[in-house]
Amino acid sequence: DTAVSQTPKYLVTQMGNDKSIKCEQNLGHDTMYWYKQDSKKFLKIMFSYNNKELIINETVPNRFSPKSPDKAHLNLHINSLELGDSAVYFCASSQVVGRGDTQYFGPGTRLTVL
Amino acid sequence: TQLLEQSPQFLSIQEGENLTVYCNSSSVFSSLQWYRQEPGEGPVLLVTVVTGGEVKKLKRLTFQFGDARKDSSLHITAAQPGDTGLYLCAVTFLGTSGSRLTFGEGTQLTVNP
Repeated sequence: DTAVSQTPKYLVTQMGNDKSIKCEQNLGHDTMYWYKQDSKKFLKIMFSYNNKELIINETVPNRFSPKSPDKAHLNLHINSLELGDSAVYFCASSQVVGRGDTQYFGPGTRLTVL
Repeated sequence: TQLLEQSPQFLSIQEGENLTVYCNSSSVFSSLQWYRQEPGEGPVLLVTVVTGGEVKKLKRLTFQFGDARKDSSLHITAAQPGDTGLYLCAVTFLGTSGSRLTFGEGTQLTVNP
């Protein structure tokens, strides 16, 4: 059973297009996240949702819009894709109990913008 | 300036060798985690350390949290090709309604057979 799943695994698209990445977790966690990993492997948080409410929103362009229809799903929609959006996007989830929560990551979505 | 600095950035060794990677910061943290990421997959938690001076062992991996809780090290004994991966340290900042994980830049380890 996959704990955190993402679709698609690979996404190749042209500049200016709009695309979505979907994420689902079956761990019963309250909190879900989106991270971006750049070409240098640096992993940085973009958004965090707790019980469908946005709680962390880093300095991400407003072309990126997360949506959480329920606690188990957190989707990421990207408008007007740019070359610099090419990266691997990871979804994660955790049960926030205090310090040192374990975050469970999905397999990632490799986005390539041409 | 990165909040967490990891060294070395890249490490290529032969099977059977020992190695240590480091995670350093000028800030004090209540806890620190180590994750390993294999190609094409997401990071997976290896360990969480919470007490200054704490040492945890996971088979051939030994993790230490510095006394001042500003740094940590990961030591691998008799490395194997299966240890190859990106090792990431991370710290949690607690907000009013949730936690956020901040990662170091990572150490890319390659163990050659």
